[in-house]
Amino acid sequence: DGGITQSPKYLFRKEGQNVTLSCEQNLNHDAMYWYRQDPGQGLRLIYYSQIVNDFQKGDIAEGYSVSREKKESFPLTVTSAQKNPTAFYLCASSSGRVTEAFFGQGTRLTVV
Amino acid sequence: AQSVTQPDIHITVSEGASLELRCNYSYGATPYLFWYVQSPGQGLQLLLKYFSGDTLVQGIKGFEAEFKRSQSSFNLRKPSVHWSDAAEYFCAVGAKAGTAPIFGKGTTLSVSS
Repeated sequence: DGGITQSPKYLFRKEGQNVTLSCEQNLNHDAMYWYRQDPGQGLRLIYYSQIVNDFQKGDIAEGYSVSREKKESFPLTVTSAQKNPTAFYLCASSSGRVTEAFFGQGTRLTVV
Repeated sequence: AQSVTQPDIHITVSEGASLELRCNYSYGATPYLFWYVQSPGQGLQLLLKYFSGDTLVQGIKGFEAEFKRSQSSFNLRKPSVHWSDAAEYFCAVGAKAGTAPIFGKGTTLSVSS
């Protein structure tokens, strides 16, 4: 079945460590997105990519980095510069035209 | 700037009663509008979408929404709520080329028996 896979579902890291969240899609979508979700704040855009080897910062990109080397993959690295990284992270993709976004099941990151 | 406002943070509805969740948007052109539902700890599932044409759109799970350009609204409705509808609901303005979807802050729906 086509879809978006985020892994792992739960991730625990010590403060000061970088961590990479995986996002893979087999929908042949051009566009991919990373959102951060905190209680009461909705979804806030971190980064998005419309094509391979190109990506743009969203509203809260500081402390995060991404790459888009393959159409299917859009990993997100949470760096030690991110001051409050504990959150629920959602990856999504769309066909690149004006269509709906499809979401993965999310990764809950906890930094201790 | 584009934005989406969901005025109600939390709504409680009795099982079997009707439901309306409000959504207002600010967008410079014809909007592409969506409603998503999220169960705790899960991703978002698309309920319905509006691109053009008939302003009343039907979605999954018995939901519908009406686009009202004059009010910049896209409210979600369901005639009879079931306990399984308890979840968080997000309204979104769809991406035009080169941009990302914009989401409201969500409305949490509780269903009482």
